[in-house]
Amino acid sequence: IQVTQSPSSLSASVGDRVAITCRASQDISNYLAWYQQKPGKAPNLLIYAASTLQSGVPSRFSGSGSGTDFTLTISRLQPEDAATYYCQHLHSRPYTFGQGTKLDIK
Amino acid sequence: QVQLVESGGGVVQPGRSLTLSCVTSGFSFSIYRMHWVRQAPGKGLEWVAVISNDGSNEDYADAVKGRFTISRDNSENTLYVKMNSLRAEDTAVYYCARSSDQIPDALVFWGQGTMVTVSS
Repeated sequence: IQVTQSPSSLSASVGDRVAITCRASQDISNYLAWYQQKPGKAPNLLIYAASTLQSGVPSRFSGSGSGTDFTLTISRLQPEDAATYYCQHLHSRPYTFGQGTKLDIK
Repeated sequence: QVQLVESGGGVVQPGRSLTLSCVTSGFSFSIYRMHWVRQAPGKGLEWVAVISNDGSNEDYADAVKGRFTISRDNSENTLYVKMNSLRAEDTAVYYCARSSDQIPDALVFWGQGTMVTVSS
């Protein structure tokens, strides 16, 4: 199963709402996770089961979708949200990651 | 608190072998599936391998199947990956990661990573 993220990069301002999409090559139900990675650091799990917020993650992060199309939305963008975001399907092995979306804050 | 600490990285010649370790603490190691994920310099994340909680079942990415072997020692709370026939394209930071409680293979805890460079 392949997962395709878009866009590959984006730039937005503090307070903006941004959306990152992930498309799977076949139906994966809700077996999708989203991660945030900052430079030089390990990834951090944000969302699992497509829309369930991991404990401790700010509520401005949300996930939606099922089947083949998924979206990570960040509302009210904050400076600390500058990072690269990855989706990963968990439907069947191998658990492929998307290519990543680099988010810059203007 | 949960800790995962990888070690064993370094510079290795193509075709040679290397074994990475991931020492864990702060949780019941023997009840969780464990994973290896890698990231080539400047590139994205690549899932590498998973092992069941008791070590009886494992699975691999196509890129490493037949060359890498994931294993664990539940008495030592340690995860391993033995990498044989290394290639330049195996150059990456290797992370170990623990599955979440809520969904088996979402990766909720990660180590800091260990760098493997395959070069002559």
